[in-house]
Amino acid sequence: GESVGLHLPTLSVQEGDNSIINCAYSNSASDYFIWYKQESGKGPQFIIDIRSNMDKRQGQRVTVLLNKTVKHLSLQIAATQPGDSAVYFCAENRSGGFKTIFGAGTRLFVKA
Amino acid sequence: GAGVSQSPRYKVTKRGQDVALRCDPISGHVSLYWYRQALGQGPEFLTYFNYEAQQDKSGLPNDRFSAERPEGSISTLTIQRTEQRDSAMYRCASSLAPGNTIYFGEGSWLTVV
Repeated sequence: GESVGLHLPTLSVQEGDNSIINCAYSNSASDYFIWYKQESGKGPQFIIDIRSNMDKRQGQRVTVLLNKTVKHLSLQIAATQPGDSAVYFCAENRSGGFKTIFGAGTRLFVKA
Repeated sequence: GAGVSQSPRYKVTKRGQDVALRCDPISGHVSLYWYRQALGQGPEFLTYFNYEAQQDKSGLPNDRFSAERPEGSISTLTIQRTEQRDSAMYRCASSLAPGNTIYFGEGSWLTVV
């Protein structure tokens, strides 16, 4: 079946360090990718997106990298802060499609 | 409204009862989605609307689940004859247009006892 990010790994980082969260996607037809942050008790919140005609996109403290050759997506968070602690989901969408497919997520813990 | 609004936030119902979950999307958003999210999992697609038209309902688990969006704005997800396995967080999301970034509401937490 369709799948993005098959498990829920945990990443623990020290406050101030950079975080890298990885995601593998399965469908080579996907051309739009999104990262969401979900804090406890809240809905997923959009962080950053990237289309398949790009391999890197930067936002405020966040960078998304896309490697279409190996179908890999990563989210880099610079100078990680305690407020970054959450579950991060990668999601994919296909050209002209509407069904955004989510992975199981990665839980990020930030140690003070 | 400013964000996607869902009600009720929490619902406890007895097995066999029907429940209706409501979603009010972001004003002006054409597309509306229903997802279900289990603990520790990513949202699972249920169904999708463009305006009032239900474009895809392939993710609805069975025929006890239905959804409507009669005027192209507010949507209702109805679960008939609820079962314990229906207990989950039900999330609504909307996007300005099909394929655009989707924005989620806070969800409706359903518990079937």
